[in-house]
Amino acid sequence: GAGVSQSPSNKVTEKGKDVELRCDPISGHTALYWYRQRLGQGLEFLIYFQGNSAPDKSGLPSDRFSAERTGESVSTLTIQRTQQEDSAVYLCASSRFGETQYFGPGTRLLVL
Amino acid sequence: AQSVSQHNHHVILSEAASLELGCNYSYGGTVNLFWYVQYPGQHLQLLLKYFSGDPLVKGIKGFEAEFIKSKFSFNLRKPSVQWSDTAEYFCAVIANSGNTPLVFGKGTRLSVIA
Repeated sequence: GAGVSQSPSNKVTEKGKDVELRCDPISGHTALYWYRQRLGQGLEFLIYFQGNSAPDKSGLPSDRFSAERTGESVSTLTIQRTQQEDSAVYLCASSRFGETQYFGPGTRLLVL
Repeated sequence: AQSVSQHNHHVILSEAASLELGCNYSYGGTVNLFWYVQYPGQHLQLLLKYFSGDPLVKGIKGFEAEFIKSKFSFNLRKPSVQWSDTAEYFCAVIANSGNTPLVFGKGTRLSVIA
């Protein structure tokens, strides 16, 4: 079946603008994760969703970051009032409960 | 909190050389361990994983990794690298307690030269 898809693949925005990043998980995967990869650094966990449970938001770096997920489908990560330090590749992953996470291609965000 | 250390930031090898990339983690309980690979211009792909059983796991493209519990290590190996192995390699760990986020190392960039 299809893998995890993300859109847009690239986003350039001006400092202070809001951006929305989208993730379509693999069908049947109940868990969905967002990570961030800044230049020269490893992947940082941001937030994850498991079914209808409350999301784990412990990795969100500030209250400018938020995410939603509708049931077990699409998720949207929103960054408000973007800052230059938000420039990164934002990766989404999905999995069945307790199983391997599969990653999407990422959205490369550049804040000018 | 869990953490993962990858000791090599950038490794440069000639084709046919042997590869070993170090990975150590800190967590006292049961863990699941992963190596992911990111080829230039591509997204992260699973290379291999350890959940339980034989501590020597084999992955795609001739890679293998050995889980040594006493050393908290999960080093990646390949006996003979190819130019096409040029990529970034990430070690990751999950506490074996259901759905939790992966904790990643900072990655090791492997460059294989002809």
